[in-house]
Amino acid sequence: KAGVTQTPRYLIKTRGQQVTLSCSPISGHRSVSWYQQTPGQGLQFLFEYFSETQRNKGNFPGRFSGRQFSNSRSEMNVSTLELGDSALYLCASSLDPWNTEAFFGQGTRLTVV
Amino acid sequence: TQLLEQSPQFLSIQEGENLTVYCNSSSVFSSLQWYRQEPGEGPVLLVTVVTGGEVKKLKRLTFQFGDARKDSSLHITAAQPGDTGLYLCAGRTSYGKLTFGQGTILTVHP
Repeated sequence: KAGVTQTPRYLIKTRGQQVTLSCSPISGHRSVSWYQQTPGQGLQFLFEYFSETQRNKGNFPGRFSGRQFSNSRSEMNVSTLELGDSALYLCASSLDPWNTEAFFGQGTRLTVV
Repeated sequence: TQLLEQSPQFLSIQEGENLTVYCNSSSVFSSLQWYRQEPGEGPVLLVTVVTGGEVKKLKRLTFQFGDARKDSSLHITAAQPGDTGLYLCAGRTSYGKLTFGQGTILTVHP
C-alpha cells in the first residue's frame, strides 16, 4: 500500500513568484491536512480538507490557499512568495477527520530566494 | 485554542541512558499520537493512545496517556544513537483537529 506522496520534494523560487505543491493521500483516505514546519515555529497547521471541502484553517495569510479534488488528492498554493515562506511543507492523510491516526508524506522543501 | 506543551525542548544524552519526554495540555484529547522525525523527512507515526491511563510499549519505548487524557509521556530505556531525532506529540480533539507540540530534539551520543 503506497504511502502519502508529496511532489516535488525540493523547490527553489524567487520572491514574488507563486508555487503549487501536490499531495496524494494513502488510497482510501479522504482527509488531507497541510502543515508548515520551520526550525523556529515547529509544525504550524495550514488547513484541512475532507471530501473536497475545507474543514479547518490555520492562522496564515490569504496568500496560502488549497483545494482537494474528487480523488482526494490535494494541492496547496502560495502566491507572492516571501523569504519567510521558506520551510518544509508537510501533508498528512487520514481516513477521515475523526480518525485517530494521521500519516505524513516526506514533505516538500521550499526555498525562497 | 488547544495548546500542547512539550518538554524538554532539547535532550542530549549518552548511549545507554534512560529519558522521558512530556506532553501536557489543559485540554482533553480524544487521542494522542507520538511521531519521530528525521531531518528532511516527514514525521513517522510511532503510536496512538486513546484510553485514559493507557500504556503502550514499542520495544524500548513506553508511551502513557494520562488518566484525564490531557497529558502523555514517552519513556525510552537504554537509548541508542539510532533513537536520535525529533519527537513530536499530537493531540486530536473530539471534532477532529490535530494539534502538535513544539517537539523534543533528542541526541544520543555513542
